[in-house]
Amino acid sequence: SQQGEEDPQALSIQEGENATMNCSYKTSINNLQWYRQNSGRGLVHLILIRSNEREKHSGRLRVTLDTSKKSSSLLITASRAADTASYFCATGFMDTGRRALTFGSGTRLQVQP
Amino acid sequence: AAGVIQSPRHLIKEKRETATLKCYPIPRHDTVYWYQQGPGQDPQFLISFYEKMQSDKGSIPDRFSAQQFSDYHSELNMSSLELGDSALYFCASSPSLKDEQYFGPGTRLTVT
Repeated sequence: SQQGEEDPQALSIQEGENATMNCSYKTSINNLQWYRQNSGRGLVHLILIRSNEREKHSGRLRVTLDTSKKSSSLLITASRAADTASYFCATGFMDTGRRALTFGSGTRLQVQP
Repeated sequence: AAGVIQSPRHLIKEKRETATLKCYPIPRHDTVYWYQQGPGQDPQFLISFYEKMQSDKGSIPDRFSAQQFSDYHSELNMSSLELGDSALYFCASSPSLKDEQYFGPGTRLTVT
């Protein structure tokens, strides 16, 4: 990946458990976004956190951002089988107005019913 | 709610052929991005357009070109196709000055 790594690369949990995915990046950012992708399908935007924010919630999702460590985590609470998908973090930059996203390598989450 | 539309959804081409992928952004979105995702890879940014002008360029090969039209739809033209061009091609759109991008379902290109 051009920007960084996500860990773990794959995660298998039981329904009802929490899933935590981590993302690291290399350069200064304006914002960090998390996307979900079902196998071979489009990417769905989950949540955006800006560089001046430390934590953000959306339903069962909780995202944290530590700009000093250049890392972010995505927590999915009370997971469901339907959460099975790949999860990508993507960073956005504001230098010269660029808004194109740079994606991490993704975490494949498998939630066992 | 309207979503990003991409056509075709699947495309099979032979080496050295050309392909044209189309993207219709969400209404009132003036920015379009193209990404390429190889098998098991993360999406890679190719090129973007804002108000019908190229706004940024990523890892797009010289064999590829793209444009955005007056109705804001965009087309990605790919020539002299190679086996390595086999991938999912995503288009995403966003409204002015917004960072969230809304992705289409993708076009799966297979080059044989």
